[in-house]
Amino acid sequence: QVQLVQSGAEVKKPGASVRVSCKTSGYTFSNYALHWLRQAPGQRIEWMGWISAGSGNTKYSQKFQGRVTITRDTSASTAYLELSSLTSEDTALYYCARNLIGFDYWGQGTLVTVSS
Amino acid sequence: EIVLTQSPGILSLSPGERATLSCRASQSVSGSYLAWYQQKPGQAPRLLIYGVSTRASGIPDRFSGSGSGTDFALTISRLEPEDFAVYHCQQYGSPPLTFGGGTKVEIK
Repeated sequence: QVQLVQSGAEVKKPGASVRVSCKTSGYTFSNYALHWLRQAPGQRIEWMGWISAGSGNTKYSQKFQGRVTITRDTSASTAYLELSSLTSEDTALYYCARNLIGFDYWGQGTLVTVSS
Repeated sequence: EIVLTQSPGILSLSPGERATLSCRASQSVSGSYLAWYQQKPGQAPRLLIYGVSTRASGIPDRFSGSGSGTDFALTISRLEPEDFAVYHCQQYGSPPLTFGGGTKVEIK
């Protein structure tokens, strides 16, 4: 069965960077795109960017351009999100999601807390 | 950026009743690329509908989607106890991909 398993919760100080992983299984990794999204408390879901698992091409939301990097390791069937220059407004639940037509499988979410 | 506005914010209904949720886009959604998700507390969203009206795998037929252009709807024909949750619409036709603010369907 398809699974996306994300790394554990993180607590970071303002100005730091965070890296979240998304390990996939149950399907051919290179055949799908993987997206990263986040959901802050009481806010709507926000799309951050995506990576073509096959080619490694990426596209980012302009809101996060310059602060976000999405990579993948095809040998480990894993995608990564790195977000830099963190502020308290980056405190949120971060999700990876597989994209076919709509986001059909999601990771369980990784809570990132930014606090001094 | 396409802004999606969902209404109502909260819908209070009883099991067995019909629920109609609205999603309005600030500009036309290209290619009918509109999806709906269900989210329960502590869980990731679950894909219900894509392409405006196509049910995702395993989704019961009491869920249906409709609409075009800028006005879309999700209808739950008869609410089951497990349907009380938050519902999000999402457009994926024009980057950046955007979501609505959600409609909470709660037990009356």
